[in-house]
Amino acid sequence: NAGVTQTPKFQVLKTGQSMTLQCAQDMNHEYMSWYRQDPGMGLRLIHYSVGAGITDQGEVPNGYNVSRSTTEDFPLRLLSAAPSQTSVYFCASSYQYRGTYEQYFGPGTRLTVT
Amino acid sequence: GENVEQHPSTLSVQEGDSAVIKCTYSDSASNYFPWYKQELGKRPQLIIDIRSNVGEKKDQRIAVTLNKTAKHFSLHITETQPEDSAVYFCAASTPGTASKLTFGTGTRLQVTL
Repeated sequence: NAGVTQTPKFQVLKTGQSMTLQCAQDMNHEYMSWYRQDPGMGLRLIHYSVGAGITDQGEVPNGYNVSRSTTEDFPLRLLSAAPSQTSVYFCASSYQYRGTYEQYFGPGTRLTVT
Repeated sequence: GENVEQHPSTLSVQEGDSAVIKCTYSDSASNYFPWYKQELGKRPQLIIDIRSNVGEKKDQRIAVTLNKTAKHFSLHITETQPEDSAVYFCAASTPGTASKLTFGTGTRLQVTL
């Protein structure tokens, strides 16, 4: 199993450009999430999904869109990039097992917006 | 929504000493509390977790304790080793939101020789 994969690993955008960060998992997990990680602020939830066709907002959803058409894929779209979106983005998948929900993280995408 | 506070932000210990990291949460309905370790440039990885119906859990040199009344939980690492140096994150999850974790801001642990 590849686990959780993310592409690209690095990306530089100009202000106002749009792009999609790709995330895929091959573990048949129901739940998928997107986080951003900024220095001193931990991991903040952007959007999450509890199954194909179902998504919801997290703590910092503004400027981002998601969709979940399949169990495997959960892309994150930046609509109009801003310097404040410079960050490391992690995708994660998880499943419920006896009341626990271990999140499996992807390798991350480092995004710089100039 | 849930709010998780984590202390200290940095912690330096000598090899062989113990390290303790503390977190508090705000939502009394939260019932799942994982701890993640993140090495430099790597992804976070789960090291231990605890459910709200358990007060303590151990896994070799790592233990987590939970005080539901006070709404705080702690990570204890004994006999620290240089490879324990990393950033540690606590998190909390409320029922019915399996993929919705609220993370603390992290503790950078440095184990010195």
